[in-house]
Amino acid sequence: QKEVEQNSGPLSVPEGAIASLNCTYSDRGSQSFFWYRQYSGKSPELIMSIYSNGDKEDGRFTAQLNKASQYVSLLIRDSQPSDSATYLCAVNMNTGNQFYFGTGTSLTVIP
Amino acid sequence: DGGITQSPKYLFRKEGQNVTLSCEQNLNHDAMYWYRQDPGQGLRLIYYSQIVNDFQKGDIAEGYSVSREKKESFPLTVTSAQKNPTAFYLCASSTDLMNTEAFFGQGTRLTVV
Repeated sequence: QKEVEQNSGPLSVPEGAIASLNCTYSDRGSQSFFWYRQYSGKSPELIMSIYSNGDKEDGRFTAQLNKASQYVSLLIRDSQPSDSATYLCAVNMNTGNQFYFGTGTSLTVIP
Repeated sequence: DGGITQSPKYLFRKEGQNVTLSCEQNLNHDAMYWYRQDPGQGLRLIYYSQIVNDFQKGDIAEGYSVSREKKESFPLTVTSAQKNPTAFYLCASSTDLMNTEAFFGQGTRLTVV
């Protein structure tokens, strides 16, 4: 079983729509969760971190965490073509205190 | 300007050669990490270090070595024992290993020729 799982996509949404990205993780004791954006050929860029159950909003981005369901999601409102990238979910597992990354979801925003 | 600097950006290695990838940070972070990324795959942890002179193997440490002689520096050597070294290598750092955000350098793309 993979530690962090994401739908690989590709996910396509029209410009202005809401993009929804999902992630599940295996370690129930995990405490910190992160979303990174990675453009093709570039390194990952941190866009959101979340530590508590519920929603956390930052501009057009909302992260949602449900520890009971071991589920974390990222919503991108008013999607723009510049949001087209691969989105990586990362979880800091209690086991070994390592960051585990999902394989990423490729998002394309169609103008 | 604070950040993480990886060099070189592109590196070509001949079969049987060892090569060293540089990673320097001026963020005063204690923890540093090396990841490998292959096409269609997520980031896989090679080595990580919590403090100077201490480091731990990640999931795919075979064929790699590291050192942490200074807080700012965490070089990665890809040895000839690594059978498939062509990949995108990413260095990251964080304040510590516990629940803090990790930030990445710009990466080194290694190709075996």
